[in-house]
Amino acid sequence: GAVVSQHPSWVICKSGTSVKIECRSLDFQATTMFWYRQFPKQSLMLMATSNEGSKATYEQGVEKDKFLINHASLTLSTLTVTSAHPEDSSFYICSASRQGPQFDFGPGTRLTVT
Amino acid sequence: GENVEQHPSTLSVQEGDSAVIKCTYSDSASNYFPWYKQELGKGPQLIIDIRSNVGEKKDQRIAVTLNKTAKHFSLHITETQPEDSAVYFCAATNSNSGYALNFGKGTSLLVTP
Repeated sequence: GAVVSQHPSWVICKSGTSVKIECRSLDFQATTMFWYRQFPKQSLMLMATSNEGSKATYEQGVEKDKFLINHASLTLSTLTVTSAHPEDSSFYICSASRQGPQFDFGPGTRLTVT
Repeated sequence: GENVEQHPSTLSVQEGDSAVIKCTYSDSASNYFPWYKQELGKGPQLIIDIRSNVGEKKDQRIAVTLNKTAKHFSLHITETQPEDSAVYFCAATNSNSGYALNFGKGTSLLVTP
């Protein structure tokens, strides 16, 4: 079964509002989780590395004040898209490692900003 | 940083035929190379991976080969089935980056009955 869950699976919000996406490792502890963004028919682009108990590390070009990441526990990381705009509409996917470099991905969250 | 190139972008084969997808990478420090299958609207699923100390790995109908000298690795699917139709991504990474994945652009595989 799934070992990484995301909630919600899809969300529609109005421009200017904030949306929080949760990523949970279901039966293991993950000190590191990654957040990716995927536009239609494109590849996954790494947004940030989420470290439990410390600040996230963002990739170049990703606004840390817009995409707030909190890794409050070993099983939960959250991504908050603040003041969302239509260009933020995308498929957001998290991943977590059970062991070594083998990562399991969540099912993704489809965000649509109207 | 790491740059991963993937070819072809689309691939159509008949059921029962083999499919081969190729990737190249640029960072010689990369030492872990996973392949993911992604179905529409879902997250990627790991199908096979290979580490830099191994040249080939096989799991039933799926195999991956790695040429460290040439910095390329390939996915081979034999006896393809319609349910193999999906988008396949290769990736490369290493421990220095905490195993953050650098993905290829993906290959859309269509297996026709």
